[in-house]
Amino acid sequence: KNEVEQSPQNLTAQEGEFITINCSYSVGISALHWLQQHPGGGIVSLFMLSSGKKKHGRLIATINIQEKHSSLHITASHPRDSAVYICAVRTNAGKSTFGDGTTLTVKP
Amino acid sequence: DTAVSQTPKYLVTQMGNDKSIKCEQNLGHDTMYWYKQDSKKFLKIMFSYNNKELIINETVPNRFSPKSPDKAHLNLHINSLELGDSAVYFCASSQGRTGNTIYFGEGSWLTVV
Repeated sequence: KNEVEQSPQNLTAQEGEFITINCSYSVGISALHWLQQHPGGGIVSLFMLSSGKKKHGRLIATINIQEKHSSLHITASHPRDSAVYICAVRTNAGKSTFGDGTTLTVKP
Repeated sequence: DTAVSQTPKYLVTQMGNDKSIKCEQNLGHDTMYWYKQDSKKFLKIMFSYNNKELIINETVPNRFSPKSPDKAHLNLHINSLELGDSAVYFCASSQGRTGNTIYFGEGSWLTVV
């Protein structure tokens, strides 16, 4: 079982919809990252969280350390948000572990 | 200016060959990484270097050897390439060993035939 589980695996939405991607982990962590990988393959770090909530434009990321859970929200989704979103954690032992990714498709 | 640059971007080579992928970052970061993304798009960390010293070495065959001549460079050498080494290899960097934003290179697509 992966130490980092993401859901859903695939997500299709209509433009304008509010989107939530979830990430649960089973180990103690020092940080959690949300990454975005576009169809061209490039990876961009969206957020780094160790507690609370962060917002950047239409993207919001939250983390609950006690529940070992993080969510990535996209408001007013747009086709250009179509990408694979990956949750990654840095464990207290310094190891990096990745979720399997959530493939998001936003239709116009 | 590209923050984390990798070369080559595409590499096709025969089994048994030895190849290298170079990585450079101009962000002044002290930590660099190599990740492998397989055909199923699953990312895994391979190595992490902090101030030119190896701090993470996941279960990776000895055929893979990272070399960090200075803090701005982390090159990946692969000996005796095998078909299963075909993947996308991402270099990345961050400041500090934990808890900071990681900046990724654009990836190097390696195909072993």
